[in-house]
Amino acid sequence: QVQLVESGGGLVKPGGSLRLSCAASGFTFSDSYMSWIRQAPGKGLEWLSYISSSGDTIYYADSVKGRFTISRDNAKTSLYLQMNSLRAEDTAVYYCARGFRLSTCFDYWGQGALVTVSS
Amino acid sequence: EFVLTQSPGTLSLSPGERATLSCRASQSVYSSYLAWYQQKPGQAPRLLIYGASSRATGIPDRFSGSGSGTDFTLSISRLEPEDFAVYYCQQYGSSPFAFGGGTKVEIK
Repeated sequence: QVQLVESGGGLVKPGGSLRLSCAASGFTFSDSYMSWIRQAPGKGLEWLSYISSSGDTIYYADSVKGRFTISRDNAKTSLYLQMNSLRAEDTAVYYCARGFRLSTCFDYWGQGALVTVSS
Repeated sequence: EFVLTQSPGTLSLSPGERATLSCRASQSVYSSYLAWYQQKPGQAPRLLIYGASSRATGIPDRFSGSGSGTDFTLSISRLEPEDFAVYYCQQYGSSPFAFGGGTKVEIK
């Protein structure tokens, strides 16, 4: 069965960095588009970043452009999000999600990783 | 900037009633690439509808989607107890792949 498991969340000070990982299994990861989406406490969903199956096409939301970097390792069936210059407003649960049928709506989601940015 | 506006913010209904949720886009959604998700507390979202009107695998037929261009609707024909949740629309035709702010369907 399809599984997406995020890790790497935690407490970080403003201005700090964190790297999230998403371990994928149960499907052909190298054929799949992937994205990161976050949800601040009590708030709605915010799409952050997309990466194509080969990694040659990447998009970012304006809110994270220049601070966050998405990447993938198809050999390790893993997705990553490097987050730099973190701010209090980046506090959220971060989800990785698989694109449905090579699109950018999402049929499988991880359980989420909580990132808290606070001094 | 692509903005999706969902209304109402909260819908108070009883089990067995019909729910109608709206999602309006600030510009036309390319090729009706509009999806709907359901989210329950403490859980990740679940894909309900893609392509504006196609049900995802395993989604009951009481859920239906319609619309095109800038106006889209999610309907739940007869609310079951497990349908009380927050619903989000998302456009995925062009980046940024924005979500709407959500509609909470609560028990009246």
